[in-house]
Amino acid sequence: AQSVTQLGSHVSVSEGALVLLRCNYSSSVPPYLFWYVQYPNQGLQLLLKYTTGATLVKGINGFEAEFKKSETSFHLTKPSAHMSDAAEYFCAVSKNNQGGKLIFGQGTELSVKP
Amino acid sequence: NAGVTQTPKFQVLKTGQSMTLQCAQDMNHEYMSWYRQDPGMGLRLIHYSVGAGITDQGEVPNGYNVSRSTTEDFPLRLLSAAPSQTSVYFCASRPTLATDGGELFFGEGSRLTVL
Repeated sequence: AQSVTQLGSHVSVSEGALVLLRCNYSSSVPPYLFWYVQYPNQGLQLLLKYTTGATLVKGINGFEAEFKKSETSFHLTKPSAHMSDAAEYFCAVSKNNQGGKLIFGQGTELSVKP
Repeated sequence: NAGVTQTPKFQVLKTGQSMTLQCAQDMNHEYMSWYRQDPGMGLRLIHYSVGAGITDQGEVPNGYNVSRSTTEDFPLRLLSAAPSQTSVYFCASRPTLATDGGELFFGEGSRLTVL
């Protein structure tokens, strides 16, 4: 069975600092991997996704993530945090033959201090 | 373009009552799904549908029923509400059944409290 583990339910950074949100997955087949963001009182929206090809994936708002098969990881990074990045971030995985059936991690709440 | 619309946004029920959460999308998406979001547990898949007339169970289906009579609508029914069903519910859809890892589009959520 697939599963996703996000390390740290809450991460706090200063404005301008590096953002690193960790995600590890387990999957018996090559996975599709996703990061979603949820702003307060809103639904989720896609930040970026990995399907095949280049392992470094760039998304919206300056975020990127790298798929590392040997480490079964898909960590999300941003070089310089903005106050507007404060939100909850979810890592998700799906098998490549179950299009759309996503399994989500527990979520990481990102706080950005001025 | 409305996208995915959920109603109601807020609802308070008493234990044992029934209700239906409505979800409609106007993007002609084949795939639709329901998730519940609870603190510290992320989003958990309740039920999903790959097209009209076809539904299947997700991770946490107990206590919930679904049907898919049209492409546009995917209602979630609680037949006898329990306090454990207090949660925020999200409906989500995607364009096709293709295995390209396509984006899920989410509604704004329905916050349900069961007393």
